[in-house]
Amino acid sequence: GQQVMQIPQYQHVQEGEDFTTYCNSSTTLSNIQWYKQRPGGHPVFLIQLVKSGEVKKQKRLTFQFGEAKKNSSLHITATQTTDVGTYFCAGSGGYQKVTFGTGTKLQVIP
Amino acid sequence: NAGVTQTPKFQVLKTGQSMTLQCAQDMNHNSMYWYRQDPGMGLRLIYYSASEGTTDKGEVPNGYNVSRLNKREFSLRLESAAPSQTSVYFCASSVQGSNQPQHFGDGTRLSIL
Repeated sequence: GQQVMQIPQYQHVQEGEDFTTYCNSSTTLSNIQWYKQRPGGHPVFLIQLVKSGEVKKQKRLTFQFGEAKKNSSLHITATQTTDVGTYFCAGSGGYQKVTFGTGTKLQVIP
Repeated sequence: NAGVTQTPKFQVLKTGQSMTLQCAQDMNHNSMYWYRQDPGMGLRLIYYSASEGTTDKGEVPNGYNVSRLNKREFSLRLESAAPSQTSVYFCASSVQGSNQPQHFGDGTRLSIL
């Protein structure tokens, strides 16, 4: 079945440093979604990428979908303490086949 | 604007007991989902309902049953709870299909002793 790997599992950064998490699928994806989960909270949808090579930005967050539609990345520029949480990718191989990655837990040290 | 509402928020059960987790959404979404979240394992799909009247197994359905009561409500039942079912359970909904953004409830933290 479809597998979605996410690395790293944990990342500690000093406030102001950049952060990147990577998502890799064993199969070609139709689209990929990214979610953020604050400690003790629930996942919140951030963005969806559909096109090969697509790049989208939300303020300090940059999302990229690979040319082969099998990988994706989330890059945060100049992290802030409000960025703390776990970031999940969710790869879709079809109508009802979304697989969540294991997540990257980001800790920002003030 | 409630979104997705889950009850209860916390529950402690003894092995062998049964219980039903409730989920309701007020966004007129067609599709609903139940996930469990365990440390280091991300979100794993238990069951989903593509639309009212249909339910299908996800990745980890054993030990669970579901009911799509109407368009708004999707319940998850543990018939005979086991310690391995200790987890955080999330209900989610989407307009139509899981390849569209999912909206999650606050979760139910379930401990089975």
